[in-house]
Amino acid sequence: AQKITQTQPGMFVQEKEAVTLDCTYDTSDQSYGLFWYKQPSSGEMIFLIYQGSYDEQNATEGRYSLNFQKARKSANLVISASQLGDSAMYFCATSNEGGTSYGKLTFGQGTILTVHP
Amino acid sequence: DTGVSQDPRHKITKRGQNVTFRCDPISEHNRLYWYRQTLGQGPEFLTYFQNEAQLEKSRLLSDRFSAERPKGSFSTLEIQRTEQGDSAMYLCASSLNLNYEQYFGPGTRLTVT
Repeated sequence: AQKITQTQPGMFVQEKEAVTLDCTYDTSDQSYGLFWYKQPSSGEMIFLIYQGSYDEQNATEGRYSLNFQKARKSANLVISASQLGDSAMYFCATSNEGGTSYGKLTFGQGTILTVHP
Repeated sequence: DTGVSQDPRHKITKRGQNVTFRCDPISEHNRLYWYRQTLGQGPEFLTYFQNEAQLEKSRLLSDRFSAERPKGSFSTLEIQRTEQGDSAMYLCASSLNLNYEQYFGPGTRLTVT
């Protein structure tokens, strides 16, 4: 079984500053993936970044980076140079990468990010 | 490529009625997933297909729920004898077999009165 914990219900950040959204995970799988999705008020889930459990380097996608600490089972999202359009709900998710459950995502409860001008 | 589409976007129904939702994935994607999201929660996995084969169903999916993907393209999710607890956003996502990213549709918001 897999579990994602996001302990920050809400976060606030000033425009142009960096912010870190926390995520810890629990899985018994040897091979797994870690994802971050953004859900604006419009409701659509937008893929941001992916990290494989065997990737030694932290993933980066533009202003997004994933701070992966395997021993601590954490996969924090760092957003640099925040923009007003970053205000949204952010979900951390995991999937196993073997067997017939390949790709099924297990999500956390989310963190609402508000960017102030 | 127009992305994943879902129809309808909103559905209001009375308790006990049947409803059916449709999902059209990205055309070359052979994996299709259904999730349910209630207010203030993250999405929960319901079921997924590889091509036309339904490979896994969540225990959340009672026998009132059925999903199909008859030709490996679009999928339908039917809920029979709806209950108020079925009120939620139903999300569809698709991915390529060997790719990791799932691309989500805009969702169908179901309200059972």
